[in-house]
Amino acid sequence: GAGVSQSPSNKVTEKGKDVELRCDPISGHTALYWYRQSLGQGLEFLIYFQGNSAPDKSGLPSDRFSAERTGGSVSTLTIQRTQQEDSAVYLCASSLLGTTYNEQFFGPGTRLTVL
Amino acid sequence: AQSVAQPEDQVNVAEGNPLTVKCTYSVSGNPYLFWYVQYPNRGLQFLLKYITGDNLVKGSYGFEAEFNKSQTSFHLKKPSALVSDSALYFCAVSGSYNTDKLIFGTGTRLQVFP
Repeated sequence: GAGVSQSPSNKVTEKGKDVELRCDPISGHTALYWYRQSLGQGLEFLIYFQGNSAPDKSGLPSDRFSAERTGGSVSTLTIQRTQQEDSAVYLCASSLLGTTYNEQFFGPGTRLTVL
Repeated sequence: AQSVAQPEDQVNVAEGNPLTVKCTYSVSGNPYLFWYVQYPNRGLQFLLKYITGDNLVKGSYGFEAEFNKSQTSFHLKKPSALVSDSALYFCAVSGSYNTDKLIFGTGTRLQVFP
């Protein structure tokens, strides 16, 4: 079956603009995660959705960042009033909870460049 | 709190030589341990995992990892490195008390020279 997909693959925007990044998880996966990977850095956890539960937003760096997941499937990460330090690769992952472990499947990422 | 440490930013090895990429962890409960690999301009790919059972786990592309509970380590190994193994490797852990979230290390860049 299809893996996790993300769009766009690349996004260049001007400082102060809003951007939306999209993630389509693997069908049937109940959990969805957003991470940020800055140049030369590891993965920074941003937000986590599990089924109908309230999302874990503990990793969002500021209130300019928000995310939603509609119908338990597609997710959109929105960054308002983008800043240059927001430039990074944004990765989405999904997993099938209910198993005894949590293997996450990653999308190819969206490379965001804020000029 | 859960944490993962990858003490080496980069590992250099000659092709044909054995390689080791180090990882240590700290979790509550029993650890679930993972290795992911990221090739240039590509997303993360699952490599292998340890959940329970045999301490030596085998994964994709000839990689293996050894779980050592007393040293809280999960080092990634391969007997004979290939140039094509050059990539960024991430160790990750979740604990049996909180399997919802994976904590990732900062990554180790493996460079295999011909």
